[in-house]
Amino acid sequence: DIVMTQTPLSSPVTLGQPASISCRSSQSLVHSDGNTYLSWLQQRPGQPPRLLIYKISNRFSGVPDRFSGSGAGTDFTLKISRVEAEDVGVYYCMQATQFPQTFGQGTRLEIK
Amino acid sequence: QLQLQESGPGLVKPSETLSLTCTVSGGSISSSSYYWGWIRQPPGKGLEWIGSIYYSGSTYYNPSLKSRVTISVDTSKNQFSLKLSSVTAADTAVYYCARGDRAETNAFDIWGQGTMVTVSS
Repeated sequence: DIVMTQTPLSSPVTLGQPASISCRSSQSLVHSDGNTYLSWLQQRPGQPPRLLIYKISNRFSGVPDRFSGSGAGTDFTLKISRVEAEDVGVYYCMQATQFPQTFGQGTRLEIK
Repeated sequence: QLQLQESGPGLVKPSETLSLTCTVSGGSISSSSYYWGWIRQPPGKGLEWIGSIYYSGSTYYNPSLKSRVTISVDTSKNQFSLKLSSVTAADTAVYYCARGDRAETNAFDIWGQGTMVTVSS
């Protein structure tokens, strides 16, 4: 199985300041079709997960442009340019390049 | 717009079979552009992919659960289902159903609200 490792596991951030979450995979996520199926999901308290970013850097419909994704191969990053109160929650990276699909442990974003 | 809703017993006894259904509304489950999956989350923990079923009928399961899992589709009811046999307390979790987009994202882009299942005698 591909192991997804996120850092940090907890991130206290001041409102209006940027935040960054890293995700590293135990092997390359480049699929044989040339795509890299790395996505980011947000889970607000008491809510189901919500897709934010797919294929490394593509924002899903309705996702604010303060969220951005980057990376390649085995190293990926989710950035929030200016954190807002509604961004509080847990963020997960997920790979769909290889079965079984696997998630990172989650990074809890909280406001200082 | 498309919505997913999980349903099933909230309490299952150890060694019995957990059965959940996901009802898809606002769209057809019979589209080759999508696949349908189950993901679970134990209390206070992270997400675990259980398995997915594709339009072709192909199924893929997490090897850690494969011997106990069956996912199926009922197109006449626009539903798909999860069966997990021989459950233990470790299977206590919120179970989510979700839609995967084969064509564009290859990610789970629409999720149900989740249903809590407790395994206890």
